[in-house]
Amino acid sequence: AQTVTQSQPEMSVQEAETVTLSCTYDTSESDYYLFWYKQPPSRQMILVIRQEAYKQQNATENRFSVNFQKAAKSFSLKISDSQLGDAAMYFCAYSNYQLIWGAGTKLIIKP
Amino acid sequence: EPEVTQTPSHQVTQMGQEVILRCVPISNHLYFYWYRQILGQKVEFLVSFYNNEISEKSEIFDDQFSVERPDGSNFTLKIRSTKLEDSAMYFCASKPTLYNEQFFGPGTRLTVL
Repeated sequence: AQTVTQSQPEMSVQEAETVTLSCTYDTSESDYYLFWYKQPPSRQMILVIRQEAYKQQNATENRFSVNFQKAAKSFSLKISDSQLGDAAMYFCAYSNYQLIWGAGTKLIIKP
Repeated sequence: EPEVTQTPSHQVTQMGQEVILRCVPISNHLYFYWYRQILGQKVEFLVSFYNNEISEKSEIFDDQFSVERPDGSNFTLKIRSTKLEDSAMYFCASKPTLYNEQFFGPGTRLTVL
């Protein structure tokens, strides 16, 4: 069965600094998708970034980028120039059909 | 921009009562999902729905749960006899094809007393 592990329950970063959130997963599939979702206090689930497993190039969306290591089954999220609005729970998720979720990392931004 | 909507935003019910949570997926989407998130815990998959039938369901989705797409636009989750442990945030999601990301609704917070 597929599993997703986020080993950092909480991370904090100074505003304008860079932070990396870790995610590892386990699967025997070769074709799948990986996602990072952000959940602010409103509890809305917002897609941050997605990565197709067949693409070697790491996905990037403005200040957000991933380090996708397929052989190591690792999918970390880097947030550059952290802003106060980035404070939220961040969930890593794996999909080849339904979404399998990690436990989440609470990101705190220090002003 | 089209979005998934869910109603109500918050539902309070007594244990043993039936509740229906409603979702309106994005109009050209074909795959529909329900997830739940107990406060402070990870998001859990409940059920997926395609072509007017359940395509996959989790162990959580027992006989107390059912889903329906009654009129081609709404997608509902019914809990027949609610339990205290059903208290959670329930998210509906949809996607246009099998190989897209899922788009989430804002969630319905269910409180069972």
